[in-house]
Amino acid sequence: AQKVTQAQTEISVVEKEDVTLDCVYETRDTTYYLFWYKQPPSGELVFLIRRNSFDEQNEISGRYSWNFQKSTSSFNFTITASQVVDSAVYFCALSELNYGGSQGNLIFGKGTKLSVKP
Amino acid sequence: GAGVSQSPSNKVTEKGKDVELRCDPISGHTALYWYRQSLGQGLEFLIYFQGNSAPDKSGLPSDRFSAERTGGSVSTLTIQRTQQEDSAVYLCASRRDRGWNSPLHFGNGTRLTVT
Repeated sequence: AQKVTQAQTEISVVEKEDVTLDCVYETRDTTYYLFWYKQPPSGELVFLIRRNSFDEQNEISGRYSWNFQKSTSSFNFTITASQVVDSAVYFCALSELNYGGSQGNLIFGKGTKLSVKP
Repeated sequence: GAGVSQSPSNKVTEKGKDVELRCDPISGHTALYWYRQSLGQGLEFLIYFQGNSAPDKSGLPSDRFSAERTGGSVSTLTIQRTQQEDSAVYLCASRRDRGWNSPLHFGNGTRLTVT
């Protein structure tokens, strides 16, 4: 069955520390996309990145980087030199091509709340 | 506007009353989702509309909850005989066509408080 696990419920770090948010997924499909969303205290979820199952290249965007490893079914998100503005809930999600089912083939993890303290 | 629009942004209602929450998706997006987020919790899927297909209602928590999508655009989520446990933020999101590889675009949500 499809599933997205974010085992870290809450993480607290001090500003300038690096932090990695874990995401592990389960899927029967060979073609799928993975996503990360950020939900700051204001409440609106903001799309950060998507990665397709055929592209295992890691991606870096400023202080953000993503490590996709199919061998371990993981799509981890690292924030380098964290800042207070990074404080938010981060959601990982999986979208499959071939396995129809509920939720439009889109499954969210339960989220990780990151608190960055000054 | 270009984004997903939800109204009202806040709603306070008395227990037992009915409420309607509205979502106006991005123009041209055929997929529309409703989620519920209780305090400190993750996203709870409620219902999914895709074009003219029958909606996926598998996430609706009880028969007090229903949703419509008229003309493939605006959607209304209705909660009848509200209970205190219905208090939550209700989030709407839309997605381009079936768009399995496209991201969701979320609205700002409606914060519902049942007193």
